[in-house]
Parts: sequence; structure tokens; C-alpha cells
Amino acid sequence: QKEVEQDPGPLSVPEGAIVSLNCTYSNSAFQYFMWYRQYSRKGPELLMYTYSSGNKEDGRFTAQVDKSSKYISLFIRDSQPSDSATYLCAMSAGNQFYFGTGTSLTVIP
Amino acid sequence: GAVVSQHPSWVICKSGTSVKIECRSLDFQATTMFWYRQFPKQSLMLMATSNEGSKATYEQGVEKDKFLINHASLTLSTLTVTSAHPEDSSFYICSASHPGQRNQPQHFGDGTRLSIL
Repeated sequence: QKEVEQDPGPLSVPEGAIVSLNCTYSNSAFQYFMWYRQYSRKGPELLMYTYSSGNKEDGRFTAQVDKSSKYISLFIRDSQPSDSATYLCAMSAGNQFYFGTGTSLTVIP
Repeated sequence: GAVVSQHPSWVICKSGTSVKIECRSLDFQATTMFWYRQFPKQSLMLMATSNEGSKATYEQGVEKDKFLINHASLTLSTLTVTSAHPEDSSFYICSASHPGQRNQPQHFGDGTRLSIL
């Protein structure tokens, strides 16, 4: 079983839709959770960084962590074509980082 | 703004050439940097962890003599792909995290697209 599981998609939504991206994990030691956005031929860009369970909101983005279910989510409200990218979840325990495979998102104008 | 700078962004060279990629942390001193390789539509594959002032730690299956890593200063790590061949063509990305506290998120460079002819 992989440490982190993420549906690769692709996911295609109309502009303005609410997008839900998810990851599950198996290691209960993970305490820090991250979401990165990666445009084609660019490095990943840190979007959200959360500690332990709960929600964190930043503009149109909301990160949610449910440690009891070992499940994290990223919600994008009022999605825009510029949100079209690959979204990677990541989590860490100590100095070990684990990444999901990424979900490809396309927002159609 | 960017906190990690990577150079060059794109390299095309002949088979047998050695290629050096630089990774700089701009806003902080990074005692540890990471080097990844990414194939199209696949996730990041950690190649090695670069430690300032000491030898890099390579992941299983990564050839140390093929991928030379030097981390001579707190703001610069380099990856040299020696005698590159077409199968080394890939997207190479470095990252760094703020030192001091554990579990700080990694900040990535913009990647280097390496094409070996």
C-alpha cells in the first residue's frame, strides 16, 4: 500500500464550479499536510499548509484534514480557467515528505 | 516571489555531455535541499537529499556516480548529470525547506527540462 493515494483524474469542470480534490494516507504519524499546484513544465507551487486536523481557508481555497479518517481535501470555489493545473498533495512526518501522484484539473471557460 | 531559483530552465545537449543544474535558496539558508525527477504526467520521484557540507543521501536505485550532487554553501546545491544519455532526458526539480524547524513545507524551483539528443 502506498503511503499516499491520490486519484490522478483527469478532472474537468466548468468555470465557476466547486472543485474537490482528495488524498488518503496510511501513516498515522503524518502531522503536516500540504497542497501544491503545478503548471505544465513548472515546479510545484505551495498553495496550502496545515497542521493536524481541521480546516484552513485562503481566498477561494480551503484545505481540510480529517486525521481520524486519514483523508485530506482541497476545495476550490468559483473555479477559474487559470486554476487548470495538476494538484499534488503532500504530507510529512519529521523530515520525511510523501507526495501524491497529482490530480490533473481542467476548468473549462 | 520565488524562494528557490533553479537554472537553467531548459537544456538540450548531445549524448555524452555532462550537464550541471543549479538550485539556489533565495530567502533563507538551506542546510538541506532535495532533488527530484519527474516524468510526463507522473509524480515527483525523490532522487537524493543534498546536505550542506556533507555527502548527499541517494535514494535506492539512483546512481551516485551518474548524478553528482554538491552542496558547498547554504544557498546553493548543484546536480551534475554525468555523461548524459537519452534515457536521462527528464524534468529535474529541486526544493528546499526553511531550516531550524522540522516539518516545514518544501519550496520548489521551476525545474529544468533536460533533453539529450
